[in-house]
Amino acid sequence: GDSVTQMEGPVTLSEEAFLTINCTYTATGYPSLFWYVQYPGEGLQLLLKATKADDKGSNKGFEATYRKETTSFHLEKGSVQVSDSAVYFCALLNQAGTALIFGKGTTLSVSS
Amino acid sequence: EPEVTQTPSHQVTQMGQEVILRCVPISNHLYFYWYRQILGQKVEFLVSFYNNEISEKSEIFDDQFSVERPDGSNFTLKIRSTKLEDSAMYFCATARGQGGGMHYGYTFGSGTRLTVV
Repeated sequence: GDSVTQMEGPVTLSEEAFLTINCTYTATGYPSLFWYVQYPGEGLQLLLKATKADDKGSNKGFEATYRKETTSFHLEKGSVQVSDSAVYFCALLNQAGTALIFGKGTTLSVSS
Repeated sequence: EPEVTQTPSHQVTQMGQEVILRCVPISNHLYFYWYRQILGQKVEFLVSFYNNEISEKSEIFDDQFSVERPDGSNFTLKIRSTKLEDSAMYFCATARGQGGGMHYGYTFGSGTRLTVV
């Protein structure tokens, strides 16, 4: 079945460091891909998405490119801030378009 | 910005008891979902609900679970006889569209942390 694998956390960085959180997927066809973020005490928020191969999603300085050849959707940011500290979830939309399949989440902690 | 509201934020219950988790969807959203996350594990799909009936459910969503929208506003998840392994964070999500309409995106609530003791 469909699945998403994320790098294990926690990821601890200093402010202004470069961030990469790896995400790979297994799915039938070419699903839409998403990154969600959960700040402390809040719900899951859509960060960015890509709906087809080679699409790049971007938002708030974060980027991820849909790579079908490596079945990956890695999240990157050039310069993280303390306010980026959160849990990041990679997800795909199942083939029927009825449910999101999530990874385990990666905790990011940024210190000043 | 419109929000999905979940209550309670945290519930502790004894094993074997029934619990009801509540969600107030965004008013013009038509599709409703429950997901759960056991501590340290993946966020898992439980069920989707549209037009007053279940449209899809996962293998997790067995006979102890039920959903309804009793008054046209609240969307509830009932767990009939809780087990220790039901302890998790339960997220409600709503959407205007589904499938091809997924570009609308889900809006998730903040979650209810259920602890079964």
